[in-house]
Amino acid sequence: EPEVTQTPSHQVTQMGQEVILRCVPISNHLYFYWYRQILGQKVEFLVSFYNNEISEKSEIFDDQFSVERPDGSNFTLKIRSTKLEDSAMYFCASLGGLPTDTQYFGPGTRLTVL
Amino acid sequence: QKEVEQDPGPLSVPEGAIVSLNCTYSNSAFQYFMWYRQYSRKGPELLMYTYSSGNKEDGRFTAQVDKSSKYISLFIRDSQPSDSATYLCAMRGTGGFKTIFGAGTRLFVKA
Repeated sequence: EPEVTQTPSHQVTQMGQEVILRCVPISNHLYFYWYRQILGQKVEFLVSFYNNEISEKSEIFDDQFSVERPDGSNFTLKIRSTKLEDSAMYFCASLGGLPTDTQYFGPGTRLTVL
Repeated sequence: QKEVEQDPGPLSVPEGAIVSLNCTYSNSAFQYFMWYRQYSRKGPELLMYTYSSGNKEDGRFTAQVDKSSKYISLFIRDSQPSDSATYLCAMRGTGGFKTIFGAGTRLFVKA
């Protein structure tokens, strides 16, 4: 069964450093998403990406964040200058087509900012 | 008022019990309703997916949506210890770009 994959599974970084989280969505899916989940809190939408551009973003997704689909298979989330409060699980999701399909999530990357 | 409300529990039941999990929401634009299961430090796993109002059954799981009351439910029959997890309700509108999640209900099924 096709699945969304994410690397690394765990990333530890120092405050102020840049990190790139990587995702490989399900092949032939068209819509891509990043969500985050701070420990003990709910899953929060960050950004959606379609047709090589951001289609919607949340208030959390400020100038420190960027997304890219560099090569037609990978989908990345970059955090330019990490803060302690960026520590969370980051989930990538993909969706085949609207309106009837739904999102399938990857296993997540646990980001720890020290 | 939060867009999606879900009691975080925890909910503890004996093996074999029927479990009822619920969410309420405020945004009438939501049309697609999902239930995800999440084990500790893992990604959400899709369990059930329904469009608009009605019931949907899949094995031991039944999802119900009542749009007039803005209320959705997930029933688990013959619950098993392996069902112990956090259950997340989630929903989105027809635009589909973002999904809004509830806080998740932690379920413990005791053997």
